[in-house]
Amino acid sequence: GENVEQHPSTLSVQEGDSAVIKCTYSDSASNYFPWYKQELGKRPQLIIDIRSNVGEKKDQRIAVTLNKTAKHFSLHITETQPEDSAVYFCAAVNDYKLSFGAGTTVTVRA
Amino acid sequence: GAGVSQTPSNKVTEKGKYVELRCDPISGHTALYWYRQSLGQGPEFLIYFQGTGAADDSGLPNDRFFAVRPEGSVSTLKIQRTERGDSAVYLCASSLRDGGGYTFGSGTRLTVV
Repeated sequence: GENVEQHPSTLSVQEGDSAVIKCTYSDSASNYFPWYKQELGKRPQLIIDIRSNVGEKKDQRIAVTLNKTAKHFSLHITETQPEDSAVYFCAAVNDYKLSFGAGTTVTVRA
Repeated sequence: GAGVSQTPSNKVTEKGKYVELRCDPISGHTALYWYRQSLGQGPEFLIYFQGTGAADDSGLPNDRFFAVRPEGSVSTLKIQRTERGDSAVYLCASSLRDGGGYTFGSGTRLTVV
């Protein structure tokens, strides 16, 4: 089955700085890669996603890159704000099954 | 409905008891998934329904866990003889089709004491 590894497990950044989270996956058949933001006690919320036929996607301050050859993908948050503080999960999808990374706790220091 | 609804939001039960967790997906979503999230971990796949049938139940940890979706809409996750290790947040998600557009519910926090 798919194995998704995510790093770092915790990330503390100064407000205004950038945050980068990296994930690797094992199954070359995975073709969809969503990122979720989860605040304490809340549901995972999709923030951005990328499909395997695209190398990069950007939505305002958030961008995701995908390297299919190396089987890794990354989330980039620029100009971080306190409301970006949360746990972020990467995931890889093969057919129907979402396989999640272990999560990154991001803390934005004011 | 407008979103995926899960009930109850919290459930405390005694070890050995039986519990049922309910998921009401977005209307028209044929695919439904159950995940389990332990503290500090990412959600782990339990079971996937396409319509009424369980297309993949490979994530169910043992035979104490069972899930149904008799009419292709609402699903119930059933746990028999609960153990303290079953304590977790159980998340349900639905999608219009396989491979994308997943919407998660707020989860049921199960605590076995």
